[in-house]
Amino acid sequence: GQSLEQPSEVTAVEGAIVQINCTYQTSGFYGLSWYQQHDGGAPTFLSYNGLDGLEETGRFSSFLSRSDSYGYLLLQELQMKDSASYFCAVRDSGGATNKLIFGTGTLLAVQP
Amino acid sequence: DTAVSQTPKYLVTQMGNDKSIKCEQNLGHDTMYWYKQDSKKFLKIMFSYNNKELIINETVPNRFSPKSPDKAHLNLHINSLELGDSAVYFCASSQDGGNGLSQPQHFGDGTRLSIL
Repeated sequence: GQSLEQPSEVTAVEGAIVQINCTYQTSGFYGLSWYQQHDGGAPTFLSYNGLDGLEETGRFSSFLSRSDSYGYLLLQELQMKDSASYFCAVRDSGGATNKLIFGTGTLLAVQP
Repeated sequence: DTAVSQTPKYLVTQMGNDKSIKCEQNLGHDTMYWYKQDSKKFLKIMFSYNNKELIINETVPNRFSPKSPDKAHLNLHINSLELGDSAVYFCASSQDGGNGLSQPQHFGDGTRLSIL
């Protein structure tokens, strides 16, 4: 089967750094993406890793190791507004499908 | 300027009814999707259309039927609604994934379907 595992919940304080891990087992791999979803809102795209290494976008960074089937999202200088669910997602096939398999989601609670 | 808009936002109806959800995107994307998010927040692809052609059809009851009149619109019709259909349904769109890179998907605000 196909699965993406993430911790269910993470708690951190404002200003801290937090890392959300994702391990995947899929039939194919065409990149790992991260999405943020606030309670009651729509998922929004954060970052994408197609190759091994670190991608940085402002306070957020994402890392991928294809040999380990592992990636993480790093959030720095945490703010209260970062409290949300975070999903990793793997594109498991090429062609025009762009089909994403989403992880189980990590609920991040940022405390003052 | 709403990029991906879906209507209605809330849908409360009785078991056994038939209902439709509409989705429109003004991003010029070629591919559109329907996702179902359950009460545990698990997000699962249901269907995808690329230029009006069905390209992803996951294991979904045939009571669910998508329709894409043009590449900017993707509707979802559900027959004989059941209690288990209660969920949030998200429409999304993206550029073609044909170059092998994963294109960001842009989601609508969701339709919260509650079956009584």
